Amino acid sequence: NAGVMQNPRHLVRRRGQEARLRCSPMKGHSHVYWYRQLPEEGLKFMVYLQKENIIDESGMPKERFSAEFPKEGPSILRIQQVVRGDSAAYFCASFGTAGGYTFGSGTRLTVV
Amino acid sequence: DAKTTQPPSMDCAEGRAANLPCNHSTISGNEYVYWYRQIHSQGPQYIIHGLKNNETNEMASLIITEDRKSSTLILPHATLRDTAVYYCIVRVDSGGYQKVTFGTGTKLQVIP
Repeated sequence: NAGVMQNPRHLVRRRGQEARLRCSPMKGHSHVYWYRQLPEEGLKFMVYLQKENIIDESGMPKERFSAEFPKEGPSILRIQQVVRGDSAAYFCASFGTAGGYTFGSGTRLTVV
Repeated sequence: DAKTTQPPSMDCAEGRAANLPCNHSTISGNEYVYWYRQIHSQGPQYIIHGLKNNETNEMASLIITEDRKSSTLILPHATLRDTAVYYCIVRVDSGGYQKVTFGTGTKLQVIP
C-alpha cells in the first residue's frame, strides 16, 4: 500500500477521549476517501474530501465524527468522545486511473 | 447500497483454480469492474480491472460476460497466501468522484 500513508497504525483510547486519525494521499492526489471496517464486516464509505472541501460526507455518523483536509498537511478524521462501538479499522484511499483505489494500511482504533 | 453481489465464502484446494463470481446487473456503460483483495485486515490491494474484454495480469484473469452483468475473477493456481476477502466493485475509470461501497466481499479459504 505504498503511497497512501496513515498514522498511527494502532490507537487505543479510553471511552470519552478524542481520536485523531491522519492520512496523506498519494503524491499528486488532492483528495481522500475514508472508509470504516467494523470487525468481520466490509468497508463502509464515510467521507470524501478534496483539499479544503468536503464533497460527500453521507457515510459519516451525524454526531462526534468530523473530517478535514486542510490546504497543508494530512487529512484528519476526528472522533470525539469515543465509545466502544467506534472500535474499528479506518482506511483512507485515493483514486487514480491506473488501478483505481490505493489504500493505506489503516488505523486500528481500540476503545477501552 | 453496493452495486455488486458476491457469495459470502468459498473454498479452494491449493494449486487449483479459484473462480470468484460477481453480479453487477445495474452496471453502467462507462463503469469498469474492479477487483481488490484484503489479506487479514491489511489495506485492500488492487488486483485487476476491465471494461468489456477479458483481462489478464500476473496476479489473475478477469472474465466479463458479453452483457457485462457479471464477471469472474480467476486465480489460476491458488496458494495459501491467496486466502483473503475478495471485493468486486464497479466505478468509472476517471479521477472524478464517485461514491463506492465495497460490500462484504467473498472470503476465499485456500485449503492445503
